Amino acid sequence: GNSVTQMEGPVTLSEEAFLTINCTYTATGYPSLFWYVQYPGEGLQLLLKATKADDKGSNKGFEATYRKETTSFHLEKGSVQVSDSAVYFCALRVFSGGYNKLIFGAGTRLAVHP
Amino acid sequence: KAGVTQTPRYLIKTRGQQVTLSCSPISGHRSVSWYQQTPGQGLQFLFEYFSETQRNKGNFPGRFSGRQFSNSRSEMNVSTLELGDSALYLCASSVSGEVTGELFFGEGSRLTVL
Repeated sequence: GNSVTQMEGPVTLSEEAFLTINCTYTATGYPSLFWYVQYPGEGLQLLLKATKADDKGSNKGFEATYRKETTSFHLEKGSVQVSDSAVYFCALRVFSGGYNKLIFGAGTRLAVHP
Repeated sequence: KAGVTQTPRYLIKTRGQQVTLSCSPISGHRSVSWYQQTPGQGLQFLFEYFSETQRNKGNFPGRFSGRQFSNSRSEMNVSTLELGDSALYLCASSVSGEVTGELFFGEGSRLTVL
C-alpha cells in the first residue's frame, strides 16, 4: 500500500540551528511528494513539493529532494527561526486503483527557541 | 483571491446528535476533499468530491457523508455522533484534484462531542 513515515517529534532547536526532518515513503506508481506546515490554530499550508525523481522543492529557506532510490523526501533548512515553530507533515499523492488522494505522515512538531 | 472557508469554526455537540459542516472552496476549484485530524490518528482522508460526484472515499463508517453543490461548495455530515468523532475537520480544495496539484486547506472546523 501507500504510506508515509516521518521522524517522531518533538524536535527542539535553538535559533539559527540546522534542521532535518526525515521522511520516507512507500508507494505504488509514481507519487508526487509534498511538505505541508501547520501553525498553531490554523489549517495546513503547502510548504514545497516535488513531482518527479531528483526534483528539488524549495520555499522560505526550506528544501527537500525527491530521492527515488532511497524513497525519501527529507526536509532541511540551514538556519531556523522562532517563527518556524509548527507541525510539519510529509505527504504523498499517487494515482492508484482509479483514485488519488493525499496520504500524510504523522507529523513532526518543531519548537525553535531564541 | 479568497481562501477556503469553513464554517462553523468551533462547535460542541452531544453524543447521538448530528452535525453538518460547510466548506466553500477557492473560486474556480472543482475538487473538494475532507480530512479528519486527531492527536491519535493524525490526518485521515474522508472523501473527495469533484463536479458534485464523490470520486474517492476513505475508511470511515457510513455515519460520515458528504455532498457537493453545483457551485462547488461542499458539506459533510456526521450522524449519531460518538465521543471519538471529536476532531478538527479540514476541507481542502484544488483545481481538479490532479496528482501533482496543490491542495489548499481551510482553517478547519473543531468539533467537540460531549
